[in-house]
Amino acid sequence: EADIYQTPRYLVIGTGKKITLECSQTMGHDKMYWYQQDPGMELHLIHYSYGVNSTEKGDLSSESTVSRIRTEHFPLTLESARPSHTSQYLCASSVWGNYGYTFGSGTRLTVV
Amino acid sequence: GQQVMQIPQYQHVQEGEDFTTYCNSSTTLSNIQWYKQRPGGHPVFLIQLVKSGEVKKQKRLTFQFGEAKKNSSLHITATQTTDVGTYFCAGPDYGGSQGNLIFGKGTKLSVKP
Repeated sequence: EADIYQTPRYLVIGTGKKITLECSQTMGHDKMYWYQQDPGMELHLIHYSYGVNSTEKGDLSSESTVSRIRTEHFPLTLESARPSHTSQYLCASSVWGNYGYTFGSGTRLTVV
Repeated sequence: GQQVMQIPQYQHVQEGEDFTTYCNSSTTLSNIQWYKQRPGGHPVFLIQLVKSGEVKKQKRLTFQFGEAKKNSSLHITATQTTDVGTYFCAGPDYGGSQGNLIFGKGTKLSVKP
């Protein structure tokens, strides 16, 4: 039973399109994260949030933006998709302190 | 900057053989975590180690945290095909990100039946 939900699971979209990847969690976690990952490879942090109205850029430069208007919701938006954005995007959340992350199932994005 | 390194990057074993992946941090860690990602899946939290020299077991998996709290290992005894996947270690980031995790690059395990 997933406590963190990502939609869509798969997305194929044309170059130049605007897309929003959805992430919602029902655990009341304050901290949320977006990672970009090629299958089975290194996790790259692209955005994170510590709570409502808090957003920060991660280690990997990204052309995406995020928002955190509600605790449970942390969508990621690409204003103009490019083939280089083809990847898997993973959303995760955690409580404050040194505790494990809960990851969503991911969105596999293909830009053609 | 702070780094978490994992070796090996890839490991191919015959079913029934043992497997070990090693994680080394450039800084002393308050804790270390391990995750498993099955092919096509997402990382799943396995365990957190906190104490110096701590050893924890989960069935065939043995996790160890070094005495200096700068290294850790995951050992799988008698691998099975269900063990296939990428294993990541992660430690707290003591830079400017208020305790985000820094993940190692992972060790990808394949098991030949």
